[in-house]
Amino acid sequence: DADVTQTPRNRITKTGKRIMLECSQTKGHDRMYWYRQDPGLGLRLIYYSFDVKDINKGEISDGYSVSRQAQAKFSLSLESAIPNQTALYFCATSEDRTGGLTDTQYFGPGTRLTVL
Amino acid sequence: AQSVAQPEDQVNVAEGNPLTVKCTYSVSGNPYLFWYVQYPNRGLQFLLKYITGDNLVKGSYGFEAEFNKSQTSFHLKKPSALVSDSALYFCAVSSGTYKYIFGTGTRLKVLA
Repeated sequence: DADVTQTPRNRITKTGKRIMLECSQTKGHDRMYWYRQDPGLGLRLIYYSFDVKDINKGEISDGYSVSRQAQAKFSLSLESAIPNQTALYFCATSEDRTGGLTDTQYFGPGTRLTVL
Repeated sequence: AQSVAQPEDQVNVAEGNPLTVKCTYSVSGNPYLFWYVQYPNRGLQFLLKYITGDNLVKGSYGFEAEFNKSQTSFHLKKPSALVSDSALYFCAVSSGTYKYIFGTGTRLKVLA
């Protein structure tokens, strides 16, 4: 969706390289998330951030780091990429109207990352 | 542990026929349930959610879902399928203050 943008949309890199995926949103939401999607596994949460000063690990954070540069920007880094990090990566936001339990999430278009 | 299951990897249905995409869940407290759709080369789009109240939830594009507490299910339905409904559908349950648990997805193919 145009309100949540991700760059790049596609990236091919080599094992050991450092990669940064960027996410920007114009929805004015405080909460932002990074997921990876693998065939047959659904979406799994990597990191999430409730605001600029609050960053938390998700279920599969090993090998990843994040930076919340502003309310609107949330970047995901792979410090030393490995082939099993080949996946589709999604950024999402939510508004936190009700403490998070019932919030709708809004997703970016995804970044397809291939690590050779 | 909280979980959500989509037992069918793929569902095929003829255009004009009713469709059902199945989802079952397991949570320790009140379930908050969601359906999202993913079209090719797009991010996930919200369809509908169940928070409380009426067990039949209506959402976008003519979809609806029925919450069944006794069967711990939240199946997605549409009375008359369109070819344009062909996509990947994800069920999710909200767990804790931040986390969605997503199902593995069901690919819906509507045949003309």
